[in-house]
Amino acid sequence: NAGVTQTPKFRVLKTGQSMTLLCAQDMNHEYMYWYRQDPGMGLRLIHYSVGEGTTAKGEVPDGYNVSRLKKQNFLLGLESAAPSQTSVYFCASSYFWTVTDTQYFGPGTRLTVL
Amino acid sequence: AQTVTQSQPEMSVQEAETVTLSCTYDTSESDYYLFWYKQPPSRQMILVIRQEAYKQQNATENRFSVNFQKAAKSFSLKISDSQLGDAAMYFCAYRRVIQGAQKLVFGQGTRLTINP
Repeated sequence: NAGVTQTPKFRVLKTGQSMTLLCAQDMNHEYMYWYRQDPGMGLRLIHYSVGEGTTAKGEVPDGYNVSRLKKQNFLLGLESAAPSQTSVYFCASSYFWTVTDTQYFGPGTRLTVL
Repeated sequence: AQTVTQSQPEMSVQEAETVTLSCTYDTSESDYYLFWYKQPPSRQMILVIRQEAYKQQNATENRFSVNFQKAAKSFSLKISDSQLGDAAMYFCAYRRVIQGAQKLVFGQGTRLTINP
């Protein structure tokens, strides 16, 4: 199993450009999440999904959109990138929220917006 | 709102010695879960240890153990017999459930250096 993978690993954008980050998991997990990590701060939740076809806002959703058309994929889109969106983005997934459940993280995508 | 605070931005320890990383949190909930994650230079977030709030017994995983003080809202991580591979950022996290989905609230992280 590959676990949680993210594409791309690095990206540089100019202000106003758009892009989509892809997260894929092969663990048949129901729940998927997108986080951002800024220097000196912990991860903050952007959006999440509790199942195929569903999405919901997290802590810092402004400027991002997401889609979960297939259970194994969770896409994060930036329609008009801004320098404030320069960050490392992490995707995570979990099977459910049972007592023993755990979120599994991808390796991250470093995004720079000039 | 739940918050998680790690007051030590950086820590260092000699190889083979023991180090403790601190974490405090704020919540009004009685049932919750706490985690420690390790983030090496590869940026991968790796689960180190988990503690259920309803359990009084402290969790242990090999060389890693926690000191969970529920009344004080403290959740520290002890690493025994430190190894070079333990060098990483360590994040404390609180798990809450909102609208059927679990959400993790993270602390700011502690960078751990292991001196050979």
